[in-house]
Amino acid sequence: DGGITQSPKYLFRKEGQNVTLSCEQNLNHDAMYWYRQDPGQGLRLIYYSQIVNDFQKGDIAEGYSVSREKKESFPLTVTSAQKNPTAFYLCATQQGAGTGELFFGEGSRLTVL
Amino acid sequence: QQPVQSPQAVILREGEDAVINCSSSKALYSVHWYRQKHGEAPVFLMILLKGGEQKGHEKISASFNEKKQQSSLYLTASQLSYSGTYFCGTETLKAAGNKLTFGGGTRVLVKP
Repeated sequence: DGGITQSPKYLFRKEGQNVTLSCEQNLNHDAMYWYRQDPGQGLRLIYYSQIVNDFQKGDIAEGYSVSREKKESFPLTVTSAQKNPTAFYLCATQQGAGTGELFFGEGSRLTVL
Repeated sequence: QQPVQSPQAVILREGEDAVINCSSSKALYSVHWYRQKHGEAPVFLMILLKGGEQKGHEKISASFNEKKQQSSLYLTASQLSYSGTYFCGTETLKAAGNKLTFGGGTRVLVKP
């Protein structure tokens, strides 16, 4: 089935640890996005990538890093520099680099203990 | 910069109507609308491109006034399934490509 797979679905981490959230897609979409959602709040853009080997910072990129080595994959690393990482993280794809519907993965819930 | 949505929350009886507004301080190329059920990923409803068009999805429709940089989502004859949080996402024209920025969301609860 075509779609977006995020893993893990739930993740617990200790303070000071880096963690990497996976996002894989087989939709052959060019653009990929990472959003952060806090309880009762909207979606805030962390990073996005329009093409392979290129990505741009979103509105809240500090403490996060990404890579886009393959079209299918856009992993997000939450580093120890992110002061409040507990949140719901959503990966999304878009067919072209321009306007079009976003397709979302099921999300990864990160809790820092 | 995030678009601003209003109201933040609305409670409806089944069959009632509601309007959700989305305003931006920047010139917009397009507006997206999504609905998110609790604990789930957002689901696409519709997209409106500049030109003031209006679109519909079931009994949910939307308009886009590019001069005012505003969009409105209309929930008509609401059904229980319309409950959820509605987000608008806006795209502004950029040389490097578009990015979608979401508003804070509007919680909708439809009661029997």
